[in-house]
Formats: sequence, structure tokens, C-alpha cells
Amino acid sequence: AQKVTQAQTEISVVEKEDVTLDCVYETRDTTYYLFWYKQPPSGELVFLIRRNSFDEQNEISGRYSWNFQKSTSSFNFTITASQVVDSAVYFCALSEARNTGFQKLVFGTGTRLLVSP
Amino acid sequence: GAVVSQHPSRVICKSGTSVKIECRSLDFQATTMFWYRQFPKQSLMLMATSNEGSKATYEQGVEKDKFLINHASLTLSTLTVTSAHPEDSSFYICSARSGVGNQPQHFGDGTRLSIL
Repeated sequence: AQKVTQAQTEISVVEKEDVTLDCVYETRDTTYYLFWYKQPPSGELVFLIRRNSFDEQNEISGRYSWNFQKSTSSFNFTITASQVVDSAVYFCALSEARNTGFQKLVFGTGTRLLVSP
Repeated sequence: GAVVSQHPSRVICKSGTSVKIECRSLDFQATTMFWYRQFPKQSLMLMATSNEGSKATYEQGVEKDKFLINHASLTLSTLTVTSAHPEDSSFYICSARSGVGNQPQHFGDGTRLSIL
């Protein structure tokens, strides 16, 4: 069975601090996708990144970076120089790697990030 | 691109009412749509998955007669909560996925349902 664990329930930082959100996953699939989504207070889910299990290269997008470590089944997310607008709940998710049809997402419990000025 | 619109954004109604929530993909054809439920400060739980023109596949523990899902076209899926009760109050969010290429799911803005 697939499982995603986000051990950090809530993190509070002061603006401009760097913060890392942890994500550990379990799956028996040899190919799979990992995702990060942001859910601001308004409720919508914003897609941030999808990573294929074959691609262990770290990725950077502006202030966001992701560290995929297959050996430890982790897909951590770092926000550099955090801003108040980064305050949200962040979900890590896992799905099997299918090109068509069902692609069920299994979500972690989320990490609430509070960035204060 | 990849915009998913969900309507209404908020519903407050009396117990016993049936409530319909619409999920539309605005700029792509959604072969597959998903419905999730989220309780306050909790994660998203998949309720059901539907392919256009097919019956929905419900997750274990989700009553298909209670939560009716219709995916009649490539751009529209509806979730109807029948005879809603206070315990059905929750945040319902849909997502849609294109059948072209290997695309991720894109989510609607969610519907906050409150049953009095």
C-alpha cells in the first residue's frame, strides 16, 4: 500500500528564514510520481511540482527547491528566504506512474507553514 | 492553462436537502476526474474517480448512493450529495486530468458545504 508521511504538523518561521518541509513515502511500485501542492487559506490546491521516480535530480524553481532521495524514500521541499505569502498548508502526495486513466493521489497529512513578518 | 472551475464555492442548506457540485475543466478535456473530501485541518481523502462516460469507481467506505457522481462530458463532472446531513459538512474538492500525454491532476477551488 502507498503511504505518505509528513511528520511536521506545523512550522512557524520569521520572514526571510529558510524552511524545509519533510516528506517520507512508502510504495511497492517501482515507478511512481511524487508531488507537492500548496493550499492557501482560500482553500484551492496549487500544483507546485511533480517528480518521476526515475529522476533523482534535485530541482530549483525560484525560491523553491526539492530534494528527492530515493535511498531514504524522501522528497523534501525547501523554501528559501520565506515570505508571508508562503503561509499555507503544503501537501506531499504520491501516485502510481500511469500515463492514462486512473492516477490516484495519496496525500500526506500536510504541514501548515506560518511565516510571520 | 489547465484551469479547473468548481461551483458553488460555498453552500449552506438544511438537513435533508440534496446538493449538486459542478466541476469543469475550462481549457482542456478531462478524461478522468476525481472527487476528494477534506475535513478541517486534515488531509484530502479520495472519494471516487470517474472516467467520461463510465460509472464512477468509489473508494472503500464511500456510499455511492449517497454521493452520486456523473461525468457526462469531457469537461464536466458533478457530485450530488443526496439527503445531506450535518455529518456531510465538509470541504469537497475536485480535480481533473487530461487524457492527452502524461499530465498531472489540476484541482478546482473547492466547495465548502455546511448542512444545518
